[in-house]
Amino acid sequence: NAGVTQTPKFQVLKTGQSMTLQCAQDMNHEYMSWYRQDPGMGLRLIHYSVGAGITDQGEVPNGYNVSRSTTEDFPLRLLSAAPSQTSVYFCASSRATGRNYGYTFGSGTRLTVV
Amino acid sequence: KNEVEQSPQNLTAQEGEFITINCSYSVGISALHWLQQHPGGGIVSLFMLSSGKKKHGRLIATINIQEKHSSLHITASHPRDSAVYICAVTPTMEYGNKLVFGAGTILRVKS
Repeated sequence: NAGVTQTPKFQVLKTGQSMTLQCAQDMNHEYMSWYRQDPGMGLRLIHYSVGAGITDQGEVPNGYNVSRSTTEDFPLRLLSAAPSQTSVYFCASSRATGRNYGYTFGSGTRLTVV
Repeated sequence: KNEVEQSPQNLTAQEGEFITINCSYSVGISALHWLQQHPGGGIVSLFMLSSGKKKHGRLIATINIQEKHSSLHITASHPRDSAVYICAVTPTMEYGNKLVFGAGTILRVKS
């Protein structure tokens, strides 16, 4: 089925470990973004991309890196995991930028850092 | 003050009741989105509005651009409607189609 695929669904990391959260979409969407969701904080934008080769920081970028080498993939890298990065992470995509297109969200990755 | 405010934060209803969730925003927008998230689940886009009213099944979303206010209505509510409902806006001056989210409304429908 067309959509946004996130892997893994669950992950436990030790403090200081690194890992990559994968996000792939098969809808040829230009815009992709990563959010974290924390209790009482709502969804906050980490990084986003308006097309292959173009990325930019969102509201809470520290501790995370992204790249966009293809239209389909937008991985999120945790460089050195910290307990403060325990959260649920969502990837989302949209057809284009600066226009009124809807969003498609992935099913989320629940990350615990111990 | 948050740019997007939702009310109520929590809502409990009996099955069959008519439900209204409100969203107010303080910035100019090009679109407003209503999203649904079931417990432990992913996020699903219900509506995207730039004016007027949209209906899908038992769900109705309205927006008043002049008053910077939107409502999500659920008619004949059912326990399967229990979820978090999130309002999000795309501000007009933002680059990159970025969303600004409300904190969400937790809805519980009892049978």
